[in-house]
Amino acid sequence: GAVVSQHPSWVICKSGTSVKIECRSLDFQATTMFWYRQFPKQSLMLMATSNEGSKATYEQGVEKDKFLINHASLTLSTLTVTSAHPEDSSFYICSARPSVAGDRTGELFFGEGSRLTVL
Amino acid sequence: AQSVTQLDSQVPVFEEAPVELRCNYSSSVSVYLFWYVQYPNQGLQLLLKYLSGSTLVKGINGFEAEFNKSQTSFHLRKPSVHISDTAEYFCAVSKSTGAYKYIFGTGTRLKVLA
Repeated sequence: GAVVSQHPSWVICKSGTSVKIECRSLDFQATTMFWYRQFPKQSLMLMATSNEGSKATYEQGVEKDKFLINHASLTLSTLTVTSAHPEDSSFYICSARPSVAGDRTGELFFGEGSRLTVL
Repeated sequence: AQSVTQLDSQVPVFEEAPVELRCNYSSSVSVYLFWYVQYPNQGLQLLLKYLSGSTLVKGINGFEAEFNKSQTSFHLRKPSVHISDTAEYFCAVSKSTGAYKYIFGTGTRLKVLA
């Protein structure tokens, strides 16, 4: 089946530093990837839609200068949390849509998530 | 816009008992519906999905769900649960056309008791 891998799984950083999280589709190409944020015991909130070769589309209320998204290839999207603060601590999950012509499966494939803790 | 409501935040159930996790959605357009399971500190695993066709959908691990358009529901069921089914379950909806943006419900924590 389609596999999406996130790295790192866990990251701890100091306040004020920047952290990059990678999302890779291992056995398929993904024109579109999505980034979500999940607070403890809460649902997934869509942060942005990442499109290969173009600027990401951010959801309302998400600071695009704070959460930089780059989708440089058909198998890799990155989320960089810039100048991280403790309130940015969260579980970040990505998902990917296979780039199959005429795809009507409707299915996204999710990464394992990355837990960010900002001290 | 679409929305999803999972009325039950927690559902405790004894092992080998049946369970139903409720999901209602709202949409003015045709939708796809999904159920995902999330174990602690892990990503989401697809249990089952409804795209079209038969309203009774069978998924992995013995789960099934029924799409009811008139009641705008997509409840998840399992006739006999195991301890290993203890997890968080999310219902999600997306438009059947477009960018595959999922809207997730708030989740239901299923706790299976011995």
